[in-house]
Amino acid sequence: QQQVKQSPQSLIVQKGGISIINCAYENTAFDYFPWYQQFPGKGPALLIAIRPDVSEKKEGRFTISFNKSAKQFSLHIMDSQPGDSATYFCAASPGTGTASKLTFGTGTRLQVTL
Amino acid sequence: DSGVTQTPKHLITATGQRVTLRCSPRSGDLSVYWYQQSLDQGLQFLIQYYNGEERAKGNILERFSAQQFPDLHSELNLSSLELGDSALYFCASSPRTSGGGETQYFGPGTRLLVL
Repeated sequence: QQQVKQSPQSLIVQKGGISIINCAYENTAFDYFPWYQQFPGKGPALLIAIRPDVSEKKEGRFTISFNKSAKQFSLHIMDSQPGDSATYFCAASPGTGTASKLTFGTGTRLQVTL
Repeated sequence: DSGVTQTPKHLITATGQRVTLRCSPRSGDLSVYWYQQSLDQGLQFLIQYYNGEERAKGNILERFSAQQFPDLHSELNLSSLELGDSALYFCASSPRTSGGGETQYFGPGTRLLVL
């Protein structure tokens, strides 16, 4: 019930291409869906987040698409750059209640080649 | 730089020992979260404190405990360490606990190696 499933596990994209990472969740109480970017040796850093009242959110080259009925959301990285090479985690947390603990996906290791 | 600090950065110890990991949240943040990141388990939520009180517990072992002090810094205590406790331990902070959907800011982590 608490799982967030993420795919693919790894992804190789050419510079300038589009990187797409997908996540699916089961718990309908989830109400906040952030994506985190993590570089080796660093802590996860928030990239972009969405709530289910919108189907898409765009910030620069990063876009989240959200499908509430399918309980799926995805991250699109347009014009991928070598500097985007990192591990990406989707996550989810409840929108109500007294705790905002994040349930993370298993991560996608993205490599952007020249 | 997220504004969350964690010490030490690296920790090497032996099985059966006890260690303390320290976290200072961002200025003004009242909530502190602890996460464990390992290769086989990914990022797992351990425990959350809000303004000194425990608010949520995840997959935290009984050998592990945490607390948040009046100055809002937090400590995670790991005892009777086992090889499988080797992992990265992250602290995160956010301004408040309820209402959900808050951005959590992660620290740089403490890498624990149990030999």
